[in-house]
Amino acid sequence: DTAVSQTPKYLVTQMGNDKSIKCEQNLGHDTMYWYKQDSKKFLKIMFSYNNKELIINETVPNRFSPKSPDKAHLNLHINSLELGDSAVYFCASSPNRGIAFFGQGTRLTVV
Amino acid sequence: GENVEQHPSTLSVQEGDSAVIKCTYSDSASNYFPWYKQELGKRPQLIIDIRSNVGEKKDQRIAVTLNKTAKHFSLHITETQPEDSAVYFCAASNSGGGADGLTFGKGTHLIIQP
Repeated sequence: DTAVSQTPKYLVTQMGNDKSIKCEQNLGHDTMYWYKQDSKKFLKIMFSYNNKELIINETVPNRFSPKSPDKAHLNLHINSLELGDSAVYFCASSPNRGIAFFGQGTRLTVV
Repeated sequence: GENVEQHPSTLSVQEGDSAVIKCTYSDSASNYFPWYKQELGKRPQLIIDIRSNVGEKKDQRIAVTLNKTAKHFSLHITETQPEDSAVYFCAASNSGGGADGLTFGKGTHLIIQP
């Protein structure tokens, strides 16, 4: 009965590969996000979608492409993975009243 | 854009003592200030939040204060317990935390000494 779920939890892949992370929320929220947490634990927003429309696209390489097929799903596709992409990626959702609920995170390791 | 500074980066207190974590923000339009607790290997979880029309909010052992004039807000934990050990993040948003997302501080590693 998880509110915000993302898969996979762990992802180990080689440089140059393309990979996707999936996220789903069953809370009926209008807004979903992707955040990146680096090795120093710094959390930074990458993308924000509101009702399937892109609202924020922070300074993120265009190798990262979010896709929202409906307002309950926000997937993240990453092309040509680089060593520096290694991080924990968190999906989150919000009812637009402030409270953000995070998924369990995907630990991406690029080797 | 918004910039959130958080201090200290590490805080060690004796069990039972109080802990205070401070944050400052740069955007005077920010109006929503949540605090998240992240245990090792887990997701960030909201523990308390405050909006700009309120100066203080309390929930059992935790409280948050906001000074809009000075653009700073603080988290206070009283009677600390071992399970309070975690990384705490403050954040700010100028849209009620909605579609514009949150700008986070760099986190405080709180260590509760037995």
